[in-house]
Amino acid sequence: EAQVTQNPRYLITVTGKKLTVTCSQNMNHEYMSWYRQDPGLGLRQIYYSMNVEVTDKGDVPEGYKVSRKEKRNFPLILESPSPNQTSLYFCASSSDRTNEKLFFGSGTQLSVL
Amino acid sequence: GESVGLHLPTLSVQEGDNSIINCAYSNSASDYFIWYKQESGKGPQFIIDIRSNMDKRQGQRVTVLLNKTVKHLSLQIAATQPGDSAVYFCAEREWGGKLIFGQGTELSVKP
Repeated sequence: EAQVTQNPRYLITVTGKKLTVTCSQNMNHEYMSWYRQDPGLGLRQIYYSMNVEVTDKGDVPEGYKVSRKEKRNFPLILESPSPNQTSLYFCASSSDRTNEKLFFGSGTQLSVL
Repeated sequence: GESVGLHLPTLSVQEGDNSIINCAYSNSASDYFIWYKQESGKGPQFIIDIRSNMDKRQGQRVTVLLNKTVKHLSLQIAATQPGDSAVYFCAEREWGGKLIFGQGTELSVKP
């Protein structure tokens, strides 16, 4: 089944404790992206990648890192999480190098205490 | 209806009726528009898209209409079913490739 898989589904952590949210897609997609979804603000892009070893900042990249060492994986790293990073995070991928017809994962609900 | 940046509106319809969800977009140079459905606890799911050189596009039970004159996008769902209950949001792709997502409209289908 074609899918974007995120882990974990839920995560509660404390300020300053480094964490990684994994994202993997099995569709051989070139384009991958991370979004956060907050009430009243809609989806906002954090980082995106158009191919292996190519990553770019989105609208809200501060406090986040990403890497794209393999085509299928695009982990999101929070080196020192803060409470304002409490949010619902989505990984997405697309078959070409654009952001059309994004396939989204099921989301990771992160709470930073 | 929805507008990129406003509070989440709601739409309640009777099962079997047609639903129309509206979206006002902001950039007249946007070249691509897309509708997503998000069910509770799930990620957004692609419904239908349309390019700026088109006015209308139809899918299975869904139709998207684009009015560039007034910068308005609508999603029509025919014969709405309980499984259609979800949040629907549109996105526009601005010149330069950035996707701007609206906050969505919550559709509630009454049996």
